[in-house]
Order: sequence, then C-alpha cells, then structure tokens
Amino acid sequence: QVQLVESGGGLVKPGGSLRLSCAASGFTFSDYYMSWIRQAPGKGLEWVSYISSSGSTIYYADSVKGRFTISRDNAKNSLYLQMNSLRAEDTAVYYCARDSNRVGWFDPWGQGTLVTVSS
Amino acid sequence: NFMLTQPHSVSESPGKTVTISCTRSSGSIASNYVQWYQQRPGSAPTTVIYEDNQRPSGVPDRFSGSIDSSSNSASLTISGLKTEDEADYYCQSYDSSNHWVFGGGTKLTVL
Repeated sequence: QVQLVESGGGLVKPGGSLRLSCAASGFTFSDYYMSWIRQAPGKGLEWVSYISSSGSTIYYADSVKGRFTISRDNAKNSLYLQMNSLRAEDTAVYYCARDSNRVGWFDPWGQGTLVTVSS
Repeated sequence: NFMLTQPHSVSESPGKTVTISCTRSSGSIASNYVQWYQQRPGSAPTTVIYEDNQRPSGVPDRFSGSIDSSSNSASLTISGLKTEDEADYYCQSYDSSNHWVFGGGTKLTVL
C-alpha cells in the first residue's frame, strides 16, 4: 500500500540544524510532486515546501525561505528537508505528503516527525 | 496570497447534518480546487474531499463538498453525523503564486 514514513525529528537548539527524511513506498515515487507540511503544537496546518517530480522546480513558504532546503533522491524513493538556522517557531510536527493530482491534493500523508527547537 | 477562513468550531448532535464553511479572502474560489482533510487527535490528516466535491474511495457518501461563487466559499457537509466524525477539519487550496494555503481548521464536536 502507499506509505510515507518520516524520520529525523528531535530536539535541537535555536540556530541549529536538522535533516528530515521521508521514505516512500507502494507507488512510483519519481512520478509525483511532494511537499512538506508542518503543524505547530495545538495549531493548524502550514505548507512548508514543494518539489517537482524531477526536483527541478522547488517552492518555499516565506517563513522558511533561505533557511530550509527540500530535495529528493528518486533512486532511493526518498524526500528530504534540510533545516538550518532553526527558531523556536519552527517547533512542529513535520509531515511529508504526496501531491496526488499535480494540482495540490495532498494524499497520503506520513505519520509525522516532531521537531522541537529549544535551549 | 489569499487566506481561507473557517469557523473555529461547530457542534451538532448524532444523526444530524452539519456544514463547515471555508471562505477565500481574495480571488475566485473556483480558480483552484479545494480539498478537505479530517484530522483526529494524534493522527495525520486524511482526505475526505478533493477537487471541490470528489470523495476518495473509502470515504462514506455522508461527506460531500461544494463551492459557491456568490459567497466565494467552499463547504463541507456531513450528514447522518456519527461520534466517529468528531475531529478537526481543514480546507486547503492552491495559490497561483506557487504557495499552498490551509484554512485555520474547524473543530467538530458531535454531542
């Protein structure tokens, strides 16, 4: 079945870095656009970043532009999010999600990985 | 960029019908598809409606979606409410400036 599994979350100090991974299975990963979406504790959903199927087109939310880098390795069926210069407000559960229709339908989502930025 | 505004919370009794609205602040609601996601506590979101009014397989036909250009809003209607429908619901759409937008979420209580 189609599955996305995130990893790499944890506790990091302000200004620190973290790299999240998302392992995809059950579908042809290289055919699909992918996104990262986050949810701060007790808050709503916020789109973070998008990458096209080949990796040639990338977009970021203004809140993370210049600090986060999305990438993918289609040979490894994996999506990544390199997060630098982390701030307390980046504390959230980070989900990877497949764009199932190339016009922004996120499905499915992974189970999420928690990133906590605190001293 | 536009915003999607949802009521913070709604409540209704089992067996009744509830409608959750999602109003787009600028630009036409019909310009880009609207999706609706259900999120139960401690779980990842799952789709209940995509492309304005389409239900994924496995989602009961008690869930329906629509858009209304006159009010520039989308709506999620759940009929025959069940206690298992109690969850947070988020609308979502695409912004032509290459951003994706979520509504603030609506907490549905079935009491």
